[in-house]
Amino acid sequence: AQKITQTQPGMFVQEKEAVTLDCTYDTSDPSYGLFWYKQPSSGEMIFLIYQGSYDQQNATEGRYSLNFQKARKSANLVISASQLGDSAMYFCAMRTTLKTSYDKVIFGPGTSLSVIP
Amino acid sequence: NAGVTQTPKFQVLKTGQSMTLQCAQDMNHEYMSWYRQDPGMGLRLIHYSVGAGITDQGEVPNGYNVSRSTTEDFPLRLLSAAPSQTSVYFCASVKHRGYIYNYGYTFGSGTRLTVV
Repeated sequence: AQKITQTQPGMFVQEKEAVTLDCTYDTSDPSYGLFWYKQPSSGEMIFLIYQGSYDQQNATEGRYSLNFQKARKSANLVISASQLGDSAMYFCAMRTTLKTSYDKVIFGPGTSLSVIP
Repeated sequence: NAGVTQTPKFQVLKTGQSMTLQCAQDMNHEYMSWYRQDPGMGLRLIHYSVGAGITDQGEVPNGYNVSRSTTEDFPLRLLSAAPSQTSVYFCASVKHRGYIYNYGYTFGSGTRLTVV
């Protein structure tokens, strides 16, 4: 069965430092996509970054990068130069392909990141 | 550029009452879905739709119904509300392109539902 695991319920990081949020996944589908979303205290869900299972390079979007290790089934989010506005919940998600060709996205439990001034 | 619009933002129901959570998108997205968010459990998929007239169940469909009569609208119906359905509900949509897409969902702002 497909599953996303985020083992860090809460993380703290000093402002301007880098932080890594862990995500491991489980799927038997050879084709899948991995996403990270940010949910600030205001509640909206914000898409950050995407990594495809066949992508050769790790994805990057500004200060966000995804450390994709396919053999270990991990897709860690790295935030460089943390800012106070990065304080939020972060969700790792995976798109899986059903036999009917309709895909769906499943989410991990999330990691709460607090940036300390 | 409204994106995904959810109404209401807050709702309190009594056990046994029924209600409909509304979701509308104006981006001509084919794929729409409903999630519920509970503390420590992330978002769990309730129902989804890949186009008008086509819906399917997600991980936690019991107690909920959906329909998709138009591309724009995807309402979620609670048939007989129970305290276990107290949650935050999100509607999300994406331009479905089969297996290949590298962009995330667009989410609505959420509906906070309390069942007493």
